[in-house]
Amino acid sequence: NAGVTQTPKFQVLKTGQSMTLQCAQDMNHNSMYWYRQDPGMGLRLIYYSASEGTTDKGEVPNGYNVSRLNKREFSLRLESAAPSQTSVYFCASSEAPGTTEAFFGQGTRLTVV
Amino acid sequence: GQSLEQPSEVTAVEGAIVQINCTYQTSGFYGLSWYQQHDGGAPTFLSYNALDGLEETGRFSSFLSRSDSYGYLLLQELQMKDSASYFCAVRPYSSASKIIFGSGTRLSIRP
Repeated sequence: NAGVTQTPKFQVLKTGQSMTLQCAQDMNHNSMYWYRQDPGMGLRLIYYSASEGTTDKGEVPNGYNVSRLNKREFSLRLESAAPSQTSVYFCASSEAPGTTEAFFGQGTRLTVV
Repeated sequence: GQSLEQPSEVTAVEGAIVQINCTYQTSGFYGLSWYQQHDGGAPTFLSYNALDGLEETGRFSSFLSRSDSYGYLLLQELQMKDSASYFCAVRPYSSASKIIFGSGTRLSIRP
């Protein structure tokens, strides 16, 4: 049972480059999320998708776009990476609404130089 | 808006009991959850309080008081492996699909 799978695990980008972080879940969950976590900080919500076909902004959406490709997959795109986007990115999924338990992927460690 | 406040760091001794607090300012939410995150790892779910009161799961207990806008995670018989960061989280009524996390508390255990 894979749960939530993120790719890649590590990435180094130059300022201005673009990239897409991939996330897939095999638990048939409706809701999916992208968070960023900076050193010593909490989890800040970038975007979320309540169900297939919908996406909404979270607390820190600027500089990012998302696509809910189907029920399993939710991707995060950085169009023009900036050093301020250096962070660890976590994808998560949950059955929703009704439960707060979320399952997280192992994270993508992104460095923008 | 939603705001969840936690102490940034707590230190405790192996075998002891520690309480990690979470105070919040939010217009309403479905319940309070707690997550654990070891260094370099992903957050994992620990507990959920839908109603006021105490929920117990083994060595861990969690408490919620909506009237006091306050909750806590209680860890008993501390073990070195409990050294981690702990986050409280809520789903706000305004958007049930969102999950908002607190700032996190880093727990260090001393032998």
